[in-house]
Amino acid sequence: KAGVTQTPRYLIKTRGQQVTLSCSPISGHRSVSWYQQTPGQGLQFLFEYFSETQRNKGNFPGRFSGRQFSNSRSEMNVSTLELGDSALYLCASSSPDSTGTQYFGPGTRLLVL
Amino acid sequence: AQRVTQPEKLLSVFKGAPVELKCNYSYSGSPELFWYVQYSRQRLQLLLRHISRESIKGFTADLNKGETSFHLKKPFAQEEDSAMYYCALSWAGANNLFFGTGTRLTVIP
Repeated sequence: KAGVTQTPRYLIKTRGQQVTLSCSPISGHRSVSWYQQTPGQGLQFLFEYFSETQRNKGNFPGRFSGRQFSNSRSEMNVSTLELGDSALYLCASSSPDSTGTQYFGPGTRLLVL
Repeated sequence: AQRVTQPEKLLSVFKGAPVELKCNYSYSGSPELFWYVQYSRQRLQLLLRHISRESIKGFTADLNKGETSFHLKKPFAQEEDSAMYYCALSWAGANNLFFGTGTRLTVIP
């Protein structure tokens, strides 16, 4: 099976702009989770989508949002970008028969100038 | 609130020496604990999880509920074990992981 894919891999934006990141899970996986990775805060959970519904949410401001489509592909959106949003954004998908075993994508590296 | 602590940011051991990466957690319910690993230029991947009680690449980890620990151990380190290791916590039915800050292991030849 093909692994989790994320597009784009790299992105440069300026403060105040918005950005949309995309994630395609492993075929058959219906759960998609998003994480932010920074040198200062490490890996932090953003939210999880399952069957097009947000099932869990981390402690991030409302500028961070996401959605999931009927084919399980997911997007996350960050509005009004701040310098502190510069990070590696990881997407992970989970198979329906295991809890917590997540398969990670390569990430999208976002730089906010 | 849940919390995962990895006290060592960096750990260096010689090839063939035993290695132990420490992980402590706090969680009021019944946690599920994992170790994820990231090798150089590779994506984050699951190494092992406590419910499977298996040994992967010679690594084992035992969940100690009394000490709230889930330390990762290997009796003889290999150079290919050099990587970033993350301890993570979740709970039954959840697909969100809470990660520790990670330990970078370097195995010296």
